[in-house]
Amino acid sequence: EPEVTQTPSHQVTQMGQEVILRCVPISNHLYFYWYRQILGQKVEFLVSFYNNEISEKSEIFDDQFSVERPDGSNFTLKIRSTKLEDSAMYFCAITFFGGAQFFGPGTRLTVL
Amino acid sequence: SQKIEQNSEALNIQEGKTATLTCNYTNYSPAYLQWYRQDPGRGPVFLLLIRENEKEKRKERLKVTFDTTLKQSLFHITASQPADSATYLCALGPTGGNNRKLIWGLGTSLAVNP
Repeated sequence: EPEVTQTPSHQVTQMGQEVILRCVPISNHLYFYWYRQILGQKVEFLVSFYNNEISEKSEIFDDQFSVERPDGSNFTLKIRSTKLEDSAMYFCAITFFGGAQFFGPGTRLTVL
Repeated sequence: SQKIEQNSEALNIQEGKTATLTCNYTNYSPAYLQWYRQDPGRGPVFLLLIRENEKEKRKERLKVTFDTTLKQSLFHITASQPADSATYLCALGPTGGNNRKLIWGLGTSLAVNP
């Protein structure tokens, strides 16, 4: 099973600040994804990234969000100006082939 | 809009029994339906994937059925163990091409009592 690591495990920030969440897949893969899960709610799709481009994004993924693969390995999610409602677990996931997705342990983002 | 419903109430069963979880969906025609396990504070863990042209899939003590007419999937854990206690998530997708996102149910919490 492919491994995905995420850093930091917990991020606390003030409203209006920028945060960068990082995902490091251990092996080669095709697709990256970001999802979020607000406490007690469903997992929600944010964005998928393929061949160094966004292939799909949800209505949640507005201009405050961006994704990058700055060095060909790390995959980052940036939130430019955090809001209280951005507090959630953020999960990175990857796909090798087929439809199964493999998730990282998540970053808990707390916006104060 | 697309909607996925899972048993909203927690399921409590005795060790050794079979747990059956339900996933119903509307306004969607997924190419795949998937089941994941999620423990508190952790990411979802992939369990099984079933395609639209498959009726049933098994893996060890797990069995999934997929009825595209009823728009329903059943997930069974046989000979359940306390270690099976977790939240089980139903996810639909991908639909194909560049549309590879998963759409998720809220999950059903399963507690297996020793």
